[in-house]
Amino acid sequence: IAGITQAPTSQILAAGRRMTLRCTQDMRHNAMYWYRQDLGLGLRLIHYSNTAGTTGKGEVPDGYSVSRANTDDFPLTLASAVPSQTSVYFCASSAERGWGEQFFGPGTRLTVL
Amino acid sequence: AQSVTQPDIHITVSEGASLELRCNYSYGATPYLFWYVQSPGQGLQLLLKYFSGDTLVQGIKGFEAEFKRSQSSFNLRKPSVHWSDAAEYFCAVGYSGTYKYIFGTGTRLKVLA
Repeated sequence: IAGITQAPTSQILAAGRRMTLRCTQDMRHNAMYWYRQDLGLGLRLIHYSNTAGTTGKGEVPDGYSVSRANTDDFPLTLASAVPSQTSVYFCASSAERGWGEQFFGPGTRLTVL
Repeated sequence: AQSVTQPDIHITVSEGASLELRCNYSYGATPYLFWYVQSPGQGLQLLLKYFSGDTLVQGIKGFEAEFKRSQSSFNLRKPSVHWSDAAEYFCAVGYSGTYKYIFGTGTRLKVLA
């Protein structure tokens, strides 16, 4: 089934630990995104990638890093997790600039203690 | 600065009643406009989008939205709400030449039986 998969579904993590959230799409979309969703704040863009090999910072990039080695995968890494990174993380992809629909994964619920 | 405002955090309507969710954006040119719906525990799903042409656009699940340039608005409407419409609704804006979106903070819809 075409779409976006994210792993893990949920995770509880001790502060200071390193964590990588995985995202894979099979739609051959150029662009991919990572958002975090927090109550009352909606979705905020963390990092994005316009195409394989390029990445850019979004609205809230601090404490996160990404890589885009190929078209399909876009992992998000928390080098040293802090409690303020407790959130629901969504990966998304789109084919066209600006006017294109973004397709979302099911999300990863991360709790940092 | 570019921004998207959804002034209503929560809306409660009775089943069968009409619905209008408000969205205003701030941008100098014509943006690409989207409405997404998020059911509990799910990712976001596109309801409809506007990027040119007829300012009244039809979407899935009986939703429609009207682009009003003079008011910088893109309000979502449904003539008769069903209990299954209870969800969170996000307005988003995309801009020509960029892959990035800006999302509103969302409106949570509750439907009374």
